[in-house]
This record gives sequence, structure tokens and C-alpha cells, in this order.
Amino acid sequence: KAGVTQTPRYLIKTRGQQVTLSCSPISGHRSVSWYQQTPGQGLQFLFEYFSETQRNKGNFPGRFSGRQFSNSRSEMNVSTLELGDSALYLCASSSLAGGPNKNIQYFGAGTRLSVL
Amino acid sequence: KQEVTQIPAALSVPEGENLVLNCSFTDSAIYNLQWFRQDPGKGLTSLLLIQSSQREQTSGRLNASLDKSSGRSTLYIAASQPGDSATYLCAVGGGNEKLTFGTGTRLTIIP
Repeated sequence: KAGVTQTPRYLIKTRGQQVTLSCSPISGHRSVSWYQQTPGQGLQFLFEYFSETQRNKGNFPGRFSGRQFSNSRSEMNVSTLELGDSALYLCASSSLAGGPNKNIQYFGAGTRLSVL
Repeated sequence: KQEVTQIPAALSVPEGENLVLNCSFTDSAIYNLQWFRQDPGKGLTSLLLIQSSQREQTSGRLNASLDKSSGRSTLYIAASQPGDSATYLCAVGGGNEKLTFGTGTRLTIIP
């Protein structure tokens, strides 16, 4: 089974631009979560989608948004980029289908975003 | 608000030694706790998941314990190897797929 795939792996943008990151979950996984990782703040939860619905949202400004498609693939968008948005953005999927492993979150390799 | 702490921030041990990594959390009303490792520049690899009703989980040389009442979890690594060098993160699950992460322990195994 293929793992969680995130594209692109690296991005360089300038302040004020907007960016879209993509995440393909493990086949059969319906829950997709997004996290931001920075040296100063560590790993912080952005949002979680299940069956195309955002179920949870972290404490981030409205410039951060996301969506999930019917095939469970997810995108996150950051508008009006700021220097502080430079980070590793990680996507995770989980099956929630039952059994002891239903809550295990499997992470992709991340997209490293640099804002200049 | 859940807060997760990992101490120490960095640890170096000689190859072959057993070691324990610590994780503490402030709110004992957790759904589960997960341990991950992260290699430089890479994503996270799940190591062990402990449900709130469990006390420990084992996988190979790894053993994770959970004491909800005291707000603590430990990850025990037996017979450490250079390949175990990585950052280890614990994450507390609140039952809604949102994980609250600790700041991690950077582990270096000295050959």
C-alpha cells in the first residue's frame, strides 16, 4: 500500500502570494489532518477533514484553509503569505475504520515552504 | 488546554545501552497517546499507539507505557543502535484526530 503522498516537496514563494499544497492519503483512509512544524512552535494542528467535511480546526488565522475531495485527497491553501508561514507542512491520514489501529496517524514526508 | 512536555530536549547515549524517554501532559482526559520518530528533513513515523484504556504497548525493542492519572508516558528503547538516532515525539490524542505534540527529544546513539 502506498503511503501518504504530499506534493510538492519544496516551495519557494514571496510575501503576499498564495500557495496550495496537496495530500493524497493512504488508500481507504478517510480522515486527513494537516500540521505546521516550525523550529519555534513545534508541531501545531491546522485542521482535520473527514468525508469532505472539516471537523476540527486549530488556532490559525483565516488565511489558512483547506478542503477534501470525494476521493479523500486534500488540499490546503495559504493566502497572503507572510514570512512567518515558512515551515514544514505535514499531512496525516488515519482510517477510523475500527480495530486497534484505527486512530494511528500516518504522516507524509511534508512540503517545505519558504516565504521570502 | 492540553500541554505536552518532553524532557530532556536532547540525549546522547553509547550504543547498546537501554534508555527511557519521558513525556508528560497536563490534561488526563486523553483518548490515546502516540509516539513518533522523525529523521532530519523527513516526516513522522508512528512507533506505538496506546489507547487510554491501556497501560503499555510493545513493538520489538520499544515499549511505551501510559499512566493517565499522573499524566505521564515513557518510551523505553532496549539495546540502542546507531539507527535509533532521531527526534522522538509524543502526541496526545483528544478523540477528534487532533494531536497535541510535545517538543521532542533529540536522541543520538554513539557508536
